[in-house]
Amino acid sequence: NAGVMQNPRHLVRRRGQEARLRCSPMKGHSHVYWYRQLPEEGLKFMVYLQKENIIDESGMPKERFSAEFPKEGPSILRIQQVVRGDSAAYFCASSRTGGWTPPAFGPGTRLTVT
Amino acid sequence: QQQVKQSPQSLIVQKGGISIINCAYENTAFDYFPWYQQFPGKGPALLIAIRPDVSEKKEGRFTISFNKSAKQFSLHIMDSQPGDSATYFCAASPTTGANNLFFGTGTRLTVIP
Repeated sequence: NAGVMQNPRHLVRRRGQEARLRCSPMKGHSHVYWYRQLPEEGLKFMVYLQKENIIDESGMPKERFSAEFPKEGPSILRIQQVVRGDSAAYFCASSRTGGWTPPAFGPGTRLTVT
Repeated sequence: QQQVKQSPQSLIVQKGGISIINCAYENTAFDYFPWYQQFPGKGPALLIAIRPDVSEKKEGRFTISFNKSAKQFSLHIMDSQPGDSATYFCAASPTTGANNLFFGTGTRLTVIP
């Protein structure tokens, strides 16, 4: 049973470009969470999605960031016009439906903006 | 605003010693308190978790102590081993409604052989 998968594992973008981060949840999981980890800091919640729905985006920056979890395919975290401050590790986590269970985390995508 | 405060920031322990990491929270809606272990370049992995209806939970060498009235909880690693060297994060979450995890800032543990 494969765990949470994220790709790419490392992504380098120049300032002003777009970054697309992908997350495939564990089999049987339909809840997806995105977290951001800045160097030497803890993980900060960004957004919580279920299939085709954004449930909680209270942690998302107001501009340039968006997330989706379509009916088919992986969840996508999209960052437009990246800036140096977007450099971080972005982690996806997933959990199953039917009551709360602790999410399982993927290996992360390390974004570097040059 | 940091909803979960964690200390110390770093910890060095001799092999065989006890590692203790402390966390505190304010939000009384939190009712699930996990600890995650993270190795460099990897995602956080759930280590052990507790709910507020018990004061202690033990799994192998790892024990969580929970003080509901003080809104504090701690991780104890007994007989610490070099392989335990990692960053440990406490977290807290409500399990109803918006149930995302709020993480502490992490403790970098180094166990010296």
